Amino acid sequence: SQQGEEDPQALSIQEGENATMNCSYKTSINNLQWYRQNSGRGLVHLILIRSNEREKHSGRLRVTLDTSKKSSSLLITASRAADTASYFCATALSSNTGKLIFGQGTTLQVKP
Amino acid sequence: NAGVTQTPKFRVLKTGQSMTLLCAQDMNHEYMYWYRQDPGMGLRLIHYSVGEGTTAKGEVPDGYNVSRLKKQNFLLGLESAAPSQTSVYFCASLSPTWTGLAESTDTQYFGPGTRLTVL
Repeated sequence: SQQGEEDPQALSIQEGENATMNCSYKTSINNLQWYRQNSGRGLVHLILIRSNEREKHSGRLRVTLDTSKKSSSLLITASRAADTASYFCATALSSNTGKLIFGQGTTLQVKP
Repeated sequence: NAGVTQTPKFRVLKTGQSMTLLCAQDMNHEYMYWYRQDPGMGLRLIHYSVGEGTTAKGEVPDGYNVSRLKKQNFLLGLESAAPSQTSVYFCASLSPTWTGLAESTDTQYFGPGTRLTVL
């Protein structure tokens, strides 16, 4: 079964608004990562947060991690039409193999 | 650097045929992975390798075999293709880093994908 469950499955907003996506997982993790996938393309890494971190920022991205609730959120501020894509959370379990378990993704549409 | 490349980009097979997907990376990464992505779903790990000559099973390994004879290449084979293997296949690579006493695995770099249809 999938480790990560994402919510919502789809999100449609206007340009300039903020977009928030949530990810829940089941087992303890080493780190949690967010990836973006444009239609028909490969995945691109956005941001990584380790299990001992609570919040991280990168440009217009803000990620939070609550290990007690086994959940994470990705906030994209001041969204742009170019942010239209699918966003996936992926958890790296407490191992040294680098294996990731992906959620089902959130499809974000940003309307100009 | 080309990064991670995949060959071919598209392929149509008939049930029972065999084929090999090639993944190549020029970043000298130790670890490599094969995933499949089905419509509306995230990626599922098929097989992975933590070094030349080593392979291990992932979440959905049945019907696939892999080989890592050279560090830069990771091959995914389908011996007898089935319609259930229709999917988009992604390869990824990673170079673990050392943080103090422990090895840490970080971000994966993905190829553009191979779209496979099995009729």
